Amino acid sequence: DAGVIQSPRHEVTEMGQEVTLRCKPISGHNSLFWYRQTMMRGLELLIYFNNNVPIDDSGMPEDRFSAKMPNASFSTLKIQPSEPRDSAVYFCASSFRLEGAQGYTFGSGTRLTVV
Amino acid sequence: DAKTTQPPSMDCAEGRAANLPCNHSTISGNEYVYWYRQIHSQGPQYIIHGLKNNETNEMASLIITEDRKSSTLILPHATLRDTAVYYCIVRDLTSGTYKYIFGTGTRLKVLA
Repeated sequence: DAGVIQSPRHEVTEMGQEVTLRCKPISGHNSLFWYRQTMMRGLELLIYFNNNVPIDDSGMPEDRFSAKMPNASFSTLKIQPSEPRDSAVYFCASSFRLEGAQGYTFGSGTRLTVV
Repeated sequence: DAKTTQPPSMDCAEGRAANLPCNHSTISGNEYVYWYRQIHSQGPQYIIHGLKNNETNEMASLIITEDRKSSTLILPHATLRDTAVYYCIVRDLTSGTYKYIFGTGTRLKVLA
């Protein structure tokens, strides 16, 4: 298995532009999580899905952030409009079940820079 | 989920065992201890987890004290590739919440 695949690996965009981050979870995993990592705040959970349905989006910082999971093999995290303070590494993770008893598998992340 | 306390950094000589401690004095009976690590520029990687018994897998060993208030992750023969930030996390798998709280972890540096 190729693991959790995220794209792009790096994204540089100007303030005000729309940014879309993509994630392909491991086949057979039915839970997906989006995290954000910054030096100041560490790893933060933004939103998670179970069977393609958003379960908890309380970690999404603002209405500028939205996430979708149209099918079991694809999810997007969109920021519109983007701001410099959104600069961070965004990770996607998946697991066989929500509780992830055997651990979550993380992707390599997307490093977002908003200038 | 209970909180954990870890030393901010540790050094270990290559080939020696790396013993990473974690304090979780407020752990409850349903809470598991999980360890992840994050190598520079990569996503966190699951290492091992346990409830009360010691556990071992191909990556590491987890020793949990009898009172479960602390644990130690052991990398038996550390290599340079084990240089990473190691996170100790306590989770109740039956709580209905799925928010790992990663904390600041221990930055392990394996020295040649």
